[in-house]
Amino acid sequence: AQSVSQHNHHVILSEAASLELGCNYSYGGTVNLFWYVQYPGQHLQLLLKYFSGDPLVKGIKGFEAEFIKSKFSFNLRKPSVQWSDTAEYFCAVNFNTGKLIFGQGTTLQVKP
Amino acid sequence: GAVVSQHPSWVICKSGTSVKIECRSLDFQATTMFWYRQFPKQSLMLMATSNEGSKATYEQGVEKDKFLINHASLTLSTLTVTSAHPEDSSFYICSASTGGTGANVLTFGAGSRLTVL
Repeated sequence: AQSVSQHNHHVILSEAASLELGCNYSYGGTVNLFWYVQYPGQHLQLLLKYFSGDPLVKGIKGFEAEFIKSKFSFNLRKPSVQWSDTAEYFCAVNFNTGKLIFGQGTTLQVKP
Repeated sequence: GAVVSQHPSWVICKSGTSVKIECRSLDFQATTMFWYRQFPKQSLMLMATSNEGSKATYEQGVEKDKFLINHASLTLSTLTVTSAHPEDSSFYICSASTGGTGANVLTFGAGSRLTVL
């Protein structure tokens, strides 16, 4: 079955620390990959997406993600987090079915 | 940019009543809209894909008679929770595709929190 897995459920970091959130997906065919963020009390917002081309994708607010096809992974990174990055982060995959399947989500808490 | 509006943002109803949630694309036409359900501290679970002018496609395990979806126009999809029960209490989120059909360019609504007493 098509699935998306996020390994880190709850991450706590201090400001200026580096961040990496893992995302793996099943299926070996063509996929489109997304990271969404949900700030407290707000709706989902797109951080970045990958369709094709350069596997290193840069998004908003200093986030980036790397698509590694051989590992079925699309990890999210940020070199230096800020308190305002505290939010819920969701990896999502379109398995070429026209539907978006979400991972379980990772709660990021950044301590000032 | 593209905006998706959901109404109501929160609703409380008595057990056994029906509740309708609207999802509107404000400045674009959406051939396809998606309805998700999000439990507290959990991820979004896709409930159904709503296509304008045709029947919705429900995900496995979602009762189509319980969650009625209507996509009568290119800017409006509605989700009706029929005969609601406390276990239906949840956060319902819709999203609309700005790139034609499919999920590659999605804009999400702010969600509708349903509480069934």
